Amino acid sequence: KAGVTQTPRYLIKTRGQQVTLSCSPISGHRSVSWYQQTPGQGLQFLFEYFSETQRNKGNFPGRFSGRQFSNSRSEMNVSTLELGDSALYLCASSLDRGGGSPLHFGNGTRLTVT
Amino acid sequence: AQSVSQHNHHVILSEAASLELGCNYSYGGTVNLFWYVQYPGQHLQLLLKYFSGDPLVKGIKGFEAEFIKSKFSFNLRKPSVQWSDTAEYFCAVMSYGGSQGNLIFGKGTKLSVKP
Repeated sequence: KAGVTQTPRYLIKTRGQQVTLSCSPISGHRSVSWYQQTPGQGLQFLFEYFSETQRNKGNFPGRFSGRQFSNSRSEMNVSTLELGDSALYLCASSLDRGGGSPLHFGNGTRLTVT
Repeated sequence: AQSVSQHNHHVILSEAASLELGCNYSYGGTVNLFWYVQYPGQHLQLLLKYFSGDPLVKGIKGFEAEFIKSKFSFNLRKPSVQWSDTAEYFCAVMSYGGSQGNLIFGKGTKLSVKP
């Protein structure tokens, strides 16, 4: 069974630009979550999608948005990039939203903003 | 708001030494607790989890963790570490009945095991 796939693996953007990251969950998984990982802050929750609906959102500005498609694939978008957005963005999928379904993480997209 | 504290940023041990990584959380209600591990170059993966019942839970690769409710702690232990345990370890908490996708993670502890 293929794992969680995130594309692209690396991105370099300049301040003010926007970026879209993609996540394909494990087949059959309906819940997709996004996390930002930085050395100083660790893993911070961005948002969670289930059945194409955003179920939870972390404490991030409105420049961060996402969506989920009917096949459970998800994208996140960051507009008007800032230097502080440089981070590893992780996507995780689970069978459903309950605690009994562990998260399966992808390898992440490394975003560098210059 | 929930939070998770991991006491050690970087732990260095020799092979066969015993390991204990501290994790404390702040949340007034019932919680589900997790330890995730990230080996070099690999993705995060679940090591073990506590939902209810026996507060001593066993995970993969000989790891175990003990939930002490009175101390709001969920420390990770292994009696004898191996070089292959070199990784970063993350403690995480989820409010009971909450969503698996909304875990609150600690900042992680890097473990380096010297051969």
